[in-house]
This record gives sequence, structure tokens and C-alpha cells, in this order.
Amino acid sequence: AQTVTQSQPEMSVQEAETVTLSCTYDTSESDYYLFWYKQPPSRQMILVIRQEAYKQQNATENRFSVNFQKAAKSFSLKISDSQLGDAAMYFCAYRSAYNNNDMRFGAGTRLTVKP
Amino acid sequence: KAGVTQTPRYLIKTRGQQVTLSCSPISGHRSVSWYQQTPGQGLQFLFEYFSETQRNKGNFPGRFSGRQFSNSRSEMNVSTLELGDSALYLCASSLEGGDLAQYFGPGTRLLVL
Repeated sequence: AQTVTQSQPEMSVQEAETVTLSCTYDTSESDYYLFWYKQPPSRQMILVIRQEAYKQQNATENRFSVNFQKAAKSFSLKISDSQLGDAAMYFCAYRSAYNNNDMRFGAGTRLTVKP
Repeated sequence: KAGVTQTPRYLIKTRGQQVTLSCSPISGHRSVSWYQQTPGQGLQFLFEYFSETQRNKGNFPGRFSGRQFSNSRSEMNVSTLELGDSALYLCASSLEGGDLAQYFGPGTRLLVL
């Protein structure tokens, strides 16, 4: 079964600095999708960025980018120029492209942004 | 397009009661998934419905059930509520054939007294 591991329960970053959140996953499949979700305190979970496994190029969405290492089964999220509004719980997620499997989530990383 | 909506947003029940939560997916999305989120257990998958059929199921007791209607709206029901059922219940919808991203509703916060 696919599992997703986020080894950093908490991270903090200074405003305007860069921070990287780690995520590793375990799968025997070759095609799948990876996602990062953000859940601000008491607010809705939103999709930050997505990556399809067979695409070599790392996804980028404004200040958010990923470092996708397929062989290492690693999918880290980099947040550049951190802003106070980036403070949230971040979840890494995996979903198979083949089977109608459910989405697998990591335990989350709580990011604090210091002014 | 309107996002995923969930009703009610907040609910207080007592042990032994039952509760029904509702979720309306994004228009055109036929897959609806339900999650339970608690501080201690994180996000736990309950079940997924697609075209009115349960497609996947998490490891929850039979007190937790769901269904999906022909318009893709979904409900989940919890019977014989226990204190441990207090949680944020999230619904997410996704589009088949796309990148399988799930889009979440605001959640229903259930408190069991």
C-alpha cells in the first residue's frame, strides 16, 4: 500500500525567507500524482501545487515550487519569499493514476512564519 | 464555478444520537470523498463515492455510512455517536479523467457531548 511520510511535524521560517518542506512516499507504481495542500488555521484546505509523476519538469506556482525526485520517491515543497499568510498546516498527498484508489495523505507539517 | 459546500458547518450532538452531514461537490465532479480530521489522528479517509457507488472505504466502524445521489451530492451518517467522533469532517470532490486533485469543502465541525 502506498504511504506518505512527512518527517517534519513543525517548521518555522522568517518572513521573506525560503523554507522547504519534506515529503517521501512509498509506491511500486510508475504513474501517479502528487499534491501539496495547505490548511490555514480554522480555514479551508486548498490545493497548492500538483505534479504528475511522468513529467520530468518540477511544478511551479508563483512562490511555490516542488523538487520531485522520482527515483528517490521524494517530493519536497519550497516556499520562497515567505509571507505571514503562508502560516498553515501543509499536507503532502499521493494518488495512483491507475487504480481508483483513495488519496493518501501525510501527517502534515505545521509551518510558522515569524515577522 | 462554485466550490464544494458542506452543511451544516457546526453541529453539537450528544452520545447515542445520530447525525447526517451533507456535501455538494463542484459542478461536474462525480467523485466525492469524506475524511475525518482530528488533532491526534490527522486526516483519516472514510469513504469515496463515484456515480452513486461506494468505490473505496477506510477503516472505520459500520456506524459510519454514506451515500451519493444521482446529482453527485453526498451524505454521510454516523449512528450511535461516541465522544471520540468529535472531529472536523471534510468532504472533497474530484473530476474523473483529470489530474485526480481533490477539492475540499470548509468542513463540518461535530462536537459530541
